[in-house]
Parts: sequence; structure tokens; C-alpha cells
Amino acid sequence: RKEVEQDPGPFNVPEGATVAFNCTYSNSASQSFFWYRQDCRKEPKLLMSVYSSGNEDGRFTAQLNRASQYISLLIRDSKLSDSATYLCVVNYLTGGFKTIFGAGTRLFVKA
Amino acid sequence: GAGVSQSPSNKVTEKGKDVELRCDPISGHTALYWYRQSLGQGLEFLIYFQGNSAPDKSGLPSDRFSAERTGGSVSTLTIQRTQQEDSAVYLCASSEMGQGITNTGELFFGEGSRLTVL
Repeated sequence: RKEVEQDPGPFNVPEGATVAFNCTYSNSASQSFFWYRQDCRKEPKLLMSVYSSGNEDGRFTAQLNRASQYISLLIRDSKLSDSATYLCVVNYLTGGFKTIFGAGTRLFVKA
Repeated sequence: GAGVSQSPSNKVTEKGKDVELRCDPISGHTALYWYRQSLGQGLEFLIYFQGNSAPDKSGLPSDRFSAERTGGSVSTLTIQRTQQEDSAVYLCASSEMGQGITNTGELFFGEGSRLTVL
């Protein structure tokens, strides 16, 4: 079983739609959680951190469920520019943080 | 610049040759990672350096791969006797891995080195 698992998609949605991605992780000692965004042929960049209480940044909402070991990302009112691969990222402490990336979920937003 | 710098940005080599890829992390970042990403695939962890600790080499796919980090700053990833399956983008990332509560562990990536083995 992979340490971080995501549905690879692709998700094809129209502009304005709401779309949700889930991610599960296997290491219960995981410390911190993130969503990264990767555009085609570019390096990944941090989209948002994920906090236990849930957090929102504009149209993006991230949730963490430690008991079930999953993380979610909700995108409301999708824009064409949201088309990208969304990577779920988990840090856990093993003498220093070890950072594991999920394989990513591809999103295509169409006009 | 202030970001993570990688070189070369593109490298085309013949099968069997050795290659070296360089990463200059953000100044002051104590943690440095190498990842590999094949076309259309996710990030594959290769190796992790944290300060003066022994590196975590658990992701290196074979003994043809090695990496070092000199002076806690610049890192070099070396691939010996390259094979066609080594073709990928090699991404370096650094992070400020302090002990303070403000440390989020965010990784900052370079633009990658695209390796093509013919």
C-alpha cells in the first residue's frame, strides 16, 4: 500500500463547478499536511496547508480527518486556471521531517 | 536569486554515460530533497538531507545513484552508467526544518533538471 494515495482522475468539470479531491495516508504518526499544485511541466508549488480544524483560502477548502487518515480539498466555482495536478503531501517526523507526495489528481476545467 | 536553483535545466546524454545534477537550495534551509518525476507520473522520493544527520537514501533506485551535500548547502546527484529508464525530471527541494512552531515544513522546489538518456 502506498503511503499517500490519491485518485489520479482526471476530473473533467465545467467552469463554475464544485469539485472535491480526497487523499488517504497510511502513517498514523503523520504530523503535517499540505496540498500542492503542479502545472504541466512545472515544479510543484504549495497551494495550502491543511489544519485539523479545517481551513479555507478563497475558493479552496481543506479538511483533515486524523481518525480516518484522510485529507480533502474542495474547490468551489472552478476556473479555467484551476486546471492542474493537485498533490496531497504528508510530513512525518523521523528524526527530521520526511515528506511524502501522493501521485496527484489531475483536474481539467472546461469552458 | 532567492529560490532553489538547479542545473543543468536540460541534459541529453548517451546510455552508459555518467551525469551530475546540481542543486543550490535556499540559503539557510537545512533540509534538502531530491525527487524524480517521469512523464505523467507522480513524484518519486530519492534522497533527503537534514543538517548534519546521515542522509535518508531509502528512495535511491539502484547503486548507480548517489548524492552528496557539501557544507550543508549545495547538493549533487550523480547517476552512473545511465540507462534509458533514468530519463525523467529530477526535482530538488529545500525546506527550513527548524524546531520552532512556525516551521510548516513547506518545500520549495527548483524548476528541475530534465534528463534524457538516448
